[in-house]
Amino acid sequence: DAGVIQSPRHEVTEMGQEVTLRCKPISGHNSLFWYRQTMMRGLELLIYFNNNVPIDDSGMPEDRFSAKMPNASFSTLKIQPSEPRDSAVYFCASSLSAGGRTDTQYFGPGTRLTVL
Amino acid sequence: AQSVSQHNHHVILSEAASLELGCNYSYGGTVNLFWYVQYPGQHLQLLLKYFSGDPLVKGIKGFEAEFIKSKFSFNLRKPSVQWSDTAEYFCAVIRGNAGNMLTFGGGTRLMVKP
Repeated sequence: DAGVIQSPRHEVTEMGQEVTLRCKPISGHNSLFWYRQTMMRGLELLIYFNNNVPIDDSGMPEDRFSAKMPNASFSTLKIQPSEPRDSAVYFCASSLSAGGRTDTQYFGPGTRLTVL
Repeated sequence: AQSVSQHNHHVILSEAASLELGCNYSYGGTVNLFWYVQYPGQHLQLLLKYFSGDPLVKGIKGFEAEFIKSKFSFNLRKPSVQWSDTAEYFCAVIRGNAGNMLTFGGGTRLMVKP
């Protein structure tokens, strides 16, 4: 099992540029989560998809952030335009939920984003 | 709103010392509870989880946690830590009616001195 795959692992960009982070969940999982980790705020849930549909995006900081899940095996998190305060590690996680039963979330290696 | 509290932000121990990291949550209904570990520069890995049944849960690497419903707590323990346990530990909770949404505590950084 390849686990959750994220790309790129590191991204350095300049303020104002568009940034796209990518995630491939574990095959067969139907829930996908995007988290942001910073020293100041810890781990924050940004958005959560179930069966490719966004269920809760209340954690998305502002309109500059958007996420999509066009199919069960791929999701993107886009920041446009990026700002220095967006610098963080962005984690993607996936899990299998069936019949309302909660299951463990498995995390990807993260993308370390630096916005200069 | 639900919150998860980890009161110890930094813990320093010597090898072979016993460890207990506190975790409290504020939701009174059904919960699912998790401890994740993040080794330096790595992603979060599941240590153990509690969904139901025996409130004493055993996880990987000799860790265990006890769910005490009356205290809203899910403390993590290990009888004898090793230098390789140096990491950040996160408690996380899913409310019974919150789908799959994890709420994380602020984390506890553990440093084990050799």
